[in-house]
Amino acid sequence: GQSLEQPSEVTAVEGAIVQINCTYQTSGFYGLSWYQQHDGGAPTFLSYNALDGLEETGRFSSFLSRSDSYGYLLLQELQMKDSASYFCAVGRDDKIIFGKGTRLHILP
Amino acid sequence: DVKVTQSSRYLVKRTGEKVFLECVQDMDHENMFWYRQDPGLGLRLIYFSYDVKMKEKGDIPEGYSVSREKKERFSLILESASTNQTSMYLCASSSGQGSSYEQYFGPGTRLTVT
Repeated sequence: GQSLEQPSEVTAVEGAIVQINCTYQTSGFYGLSWYQQHDGGAPTFLSYNALDGLEETGRFSSFLSRSDSYGYLLLQELQMKDSASYFCAVGRDDKIIFGKGTRLHILP
Repeated sequence: DVKVTQSSRYLVKRTGEKVFLECVQDMDHENMFWYRQDPGLGLRLIYFSYDVKMKEKGDIPEGYSVSREKKERFSLILESASTNQTSMYLCASSSGQGSSYEQYFGPGTRLTVT
């Protein structure tokens, strides 16, 4: 089977940096991806890590350590529009399994 | 841009009714998926399909069936709707084998069963 653990909520201040962690237990692991979902919207793809290390895309970075079964999403220079839910997902056998999501609250 | 559309944004049905949810994608993607999303439970995979006329059960297939007669269209069927199937239903698509980590989602259908 597979399971993913991520915090249910995180709060940060506008302009700051926040890290959302994700730990997983799964067999046949192919990679870790991250999705963003605003209230009332559809999930949108942010990043994918197939190999260990850091992947950077603008203000967002994602990290994976396969040996620790752990990854995180790092958001820098937080903006109010970053208020959303963030889901980690593990890839396996041409499908992905999503975590329950982390609600990010941003304070002005 | 990939576009995934779903037939309805909001749907209200009665218990016992047969319900069809339609999903269409315009990027010639091989893989299509149906999820339901409930508060605190995240996205749970109901069924997915790798190709026309192929289907695979996800984590929660009970009470649902699917149909994929054309590559661009993937339908979710609730044979006899029940109140515990009240949820947000999301369709997604992705290209080719090994690329399902990047999925494109439709806007969702919020189904209420009364």
